[in-house]
Amino acid sequence: EAGVAQSPRYKIIEKRQSVAFWCNPISGHATLYWYQQILGQGPKLLIQFQNNGVVDDSQLPKDRFSAERLKGVDSTLKIQPAKLEDSAVYLCASSFGLVEYEQYFGPGTRLTVT
Amino acid sequence: AQTVTQSQPEMSVQEAETVTLSCTYDTSESDYYLFWYKQPPSRQMILVIRQEAYKQQNATENRFSVNFQKAAKSFSLKISDSQLGDAAMYFCAYRSKGGTSYGKLTFGQGTILTVHP
Repeated sequence: EAGVAQSPRYKIIEKRQSVAFWCNPISGHATLYWYQQILGQGPKLLIQFQNNGVVDDSQLPKDRFSAERLKGVDSTLKIQPAKLEDSAVYLCASSFGLVEYEQYFGPGTRLTVT
Repeated sequence: AQTVTQSQPEMSVQEAETVTLSCTYDTSESDYYLFWYKQPPSRQMILVIRQEAYKQQNATENRFSVNFQKAAKSFSLKISDSQLGDAAMYFCAYRSKGGTSYGKLTFGQGTILTVHP
């Protein structure tokens, strides 16, 4: 079974530029999560989708971050414009359903904003 | 809101010996899940072990076991017969079973485990 795929693995941009990350969850997984992991900290949930609907985006900085999950499969997370404090690893995870099911994580995208 | 605290930023152990990583959490809920995840330098987060709060028996997975003290809100991970491949960042995480959390994980700050040959 293929795991959660993410691209790119690394991205370096200057502040005020835009960037997008892509995630392809495990086939059949209805729930998709985006986490932000700042160096030296644990991951923090940014947004959670159930199929193509948003379940929780309470910690997403909506003035600069946006995410979509068209057709309930792949997802894209965008930052526009980026700030220095956005430097982090962005992890995508998926699960078959909500609470009862294990979350499987992708390898993450390391973003550096200079 | 739930919080998870890992008070040991770094731990080290000799190969083949035993090490215990600590975790405390705060919640007003009575039923929930607790997890330990391993994150090696490759950044892939891997589930090590899972505990359901209503189960009094401590979870065990091969060399990994937990000491779950619900009243004390403590959830420690014991790694027996440590191997070089166990070296990684370990995260303790909490997940609600209900309410508006919808299954999101709340992570601690992590503990870096070094294994010496």
